[in-house]
Amino acid sequence: EPEVTQTPSHQVTQMGQEVILRCVPISNHLYFYWYRQILGQKVEFLVSFYNNEISEKSEIFDDQFSVERPDGSNFTLKIRSTKLEDSAMYFCASSVEPAGAGELFFGEGSRLTVL
Amino acid sequence: GQQLNQSPQSMFIQEGEDVSMNCTSSSIFNTWLWYKQEPGEGPVLLIALYKAGELTSNGRLTAQFGITRKDSFLNISASIPSDVGIYFCAGPNAGGTSYGKLTFGQGTILTVHP
Repeated sequence: EPEVTQTPSHQVTQMGQEVILRCVPISNHLYFYWYRQILGQKVEFLVSFYNNEISEKSEIFDDQFSVERPDGSNFTLKIRSTKLEDSAMYFCASSVEPAGAGELFFGEGSRLTVL
Repeated sequence: GQQLNQSPQSMFIQEGEDVSMNCTSSSIFNTWLWYKQEPGEGPVLLIALYKAGELTSNGRLTAQFGITRKDSFLNISASIPSDVGIYFCAGPNAGGTSYGKLTFGQGTILTVHP
């Protein structure tokens, strides 16, 4: 069964460092997303990406964050200068149709720990 | 912004018992989704509801989309140990584009004792 894959599964970084989280969405999907989940809290929307551009972003997704689809298969989330409060589980997701019209498939997540 | 409130926050039940959890919102949702998250994994969609009043089953799971469009419940019958996890309700934000901005509830943590 096709699945969304994410790397790394866990990354530890120093505050102020740049981090890139990578995702390979399901191949025939058109919509791509990043969500995050701070430990013990709910899943929060960060950004959606369609047709090679950001469709929507939340207030969490500030100038320190960026997304890119550098080739036909990868979808990356970059945090330019990490802060302690960026420590969280980051989930990539993809879907054939926009969320609400179809199913979002989530990856297993990348745990980011900022020291 | 839109918020989803789930209850209960956690449940401790014996294997074989039925479980009921619900989700309410102060604003209308046009779609209700129920996800399950197991430790160390991403959320997995269990049931999707697209019409007010809709009642949908997936094996031992049953979910309903409230008539007011402001609530939904999820029932699990005859629980088993592998039902353990966090159950989230979610829905796409109404009104604007629905390109993927799902709002999630805080989750209901389910523990099943054998």
